[in-house]
Amino acid sequence: QKEVEQDPGPLSVPEGAIVSLNCTYSNSAFQYFMWYRQYSRKGPELLMYTYSSGNKEDGRFTAQVDKSSKYISLFIRDSQPSDSATYLCAMSTGFQKLVFGTGTRLLVSP
Amino acid sequence: GAGVSQSPSNKVTEKGKDVELRCDPISGHTALYWYRQSLGQGLEFLIYFQGNSAPDKSGLPSDRFSAERTGGSVSTLTIQRTQQEDSAVYLCASRPGVATRNNEQFFGPGTRLTVL
Repeated sequence: QKEVEQDPGPLSVPEGAIVSLNCTYSNSAFQYFMWYRQYSRKGPELLMYTYSSGNKEDGRFTAQVDKSSKYISLFIRDSQPSDSATYLCAMSTGFQKLVFGTGTRLLVSP
Repeated sequence: GAGVSQSPSNKVTEKGKDVELRCDPISGHTALYWYRQSLGQGLEFLIYFQGNSAPDKSGLPSDRFSAERTGGSVSTLTIQRTQQEDSAVYLCASRPGVATRNNEQFFGPGTRLTVL
């Protein structure tokens, strides 16, 4: 079993929909949680960062961490075709390596 | 300011040849990481530098892989006697350093390595 599990998708939604992306993990020592967006043939771009449990909002994006359930989520409101990309969750115990999910491919149709 | 840069962007080599991949981190970032992204494996950690030292090399898949960092800035990842299974995108990331109490890592565009 992988340390971080993420549904690969693809997840197809119409423009304007609310998108929910999720990851589960097994290592209770993880305390830094990140979401990256990766367009085809580009490097991952940091979208959201959260320390420990709680919610964080930035524009159309909301990140949630539930450490008791070992579950993190990224919500995208008013999704746009430009949001079509692969979304990677990542987490770490400290300042060392990030452990990534496999990524969820999102397709937003006009 | 400038982000993380990597060169070359693409590298095609023959099996058995050595390759060198270069990473220029964001100016002032003391922590540097190498990851590998391949189909079906996702993003895998290779090595972490803090300054010029590498406290974590646990992700290097074999002794054919090595990396160094000089002057606390540029890093080179070397793969000797390349094999077809080394084909992947090699990504570099940097972070400001231990003084910042977070682990936000900023990635470069990657080097796409193809071993024929």
